[in-house]
Amino acid sequence: NAGVTQTPKFQVLKTGQSMTLQCAQDMNHEYMSWYRQDPGMGLRLIHYSVGAGITDQGEVPNGYNVSRSTTEDFPLRLLSAAPSQTSVYFCASSLLRVSGNTIYFGEGSWLTVV
Amino acid sequence: EDKVVQSPLSLVVHEGDTVTLNCSYEVTNFRSLLWYKQEKKAPTFLFMLTSSGIEKKSGRLSSILDKKELFSILNITATQTGDSAIYLCAVGQYGSSNTGKLIFGQGTTLQVKP
Repeated sequence: NAGVTQTPKFQVLKTGQSMTLQCAQDMNHEYMSWYRQDPGMGLRLIHYSVGAGITDQGEVPNGYNVSRSTTEDFPLRLLSAAPSQTSVYFCASSLLRVSGNTIYFGEGSWLTVV
Repeated sequence: EDKVVQSPLSLVVHEGDTVTLNCSYEVTNFRSLLWYKQEKKAPTFLFMLTSSGIEKKSGRLSSILDKKELFSILNITATQTGDSAIYLCAVGQYGSSNTGKLIFGQGTTLQVKP
């Protein structure tokens, strides 16, 4: 019963490096999204997808790329990491309706950019 | 611009106290309001509210929505140290471009002292 799986859990990057945060879900959810959480800011939507091959920008998309080649996977790419991207990242998935108890979050990825 | 605002941002109480957390919103095509509890990891679902005036209750926690005044409250009675967490309010919207997206407030950090 995996749910939403995020990797890595912790990562330290140097400014300018690139990396990919992986997110996979095994619940056949159409909707997947990435949020970042900073102190005092709540969760802010980075990118989201309503199905394979479809992605769109959220509130804070700059510096991040996503793709959705399969229903299960939704990786988040940082092409050139900046200290401002130090944050906790959450992947979430749900069926294509907003019903609170069917929105599943991953365990989070703590990213530090030095 | 759609926004969700929570107050207070932080709160320190003693065990046994009752607390009220507030969430106000200005969101187009409002569909539902959700409360989450976050303890160092992923947010966990508490309540989803869609109708005004109907209280949702789970143990010592309860919540109600006022769609006329655009706010919700989360009450916690007889607080315990295990209630210490960040409480997040989020609003879901109708519309094909909004389906599945949540707009989060900043969160309220509650600390319950023994």
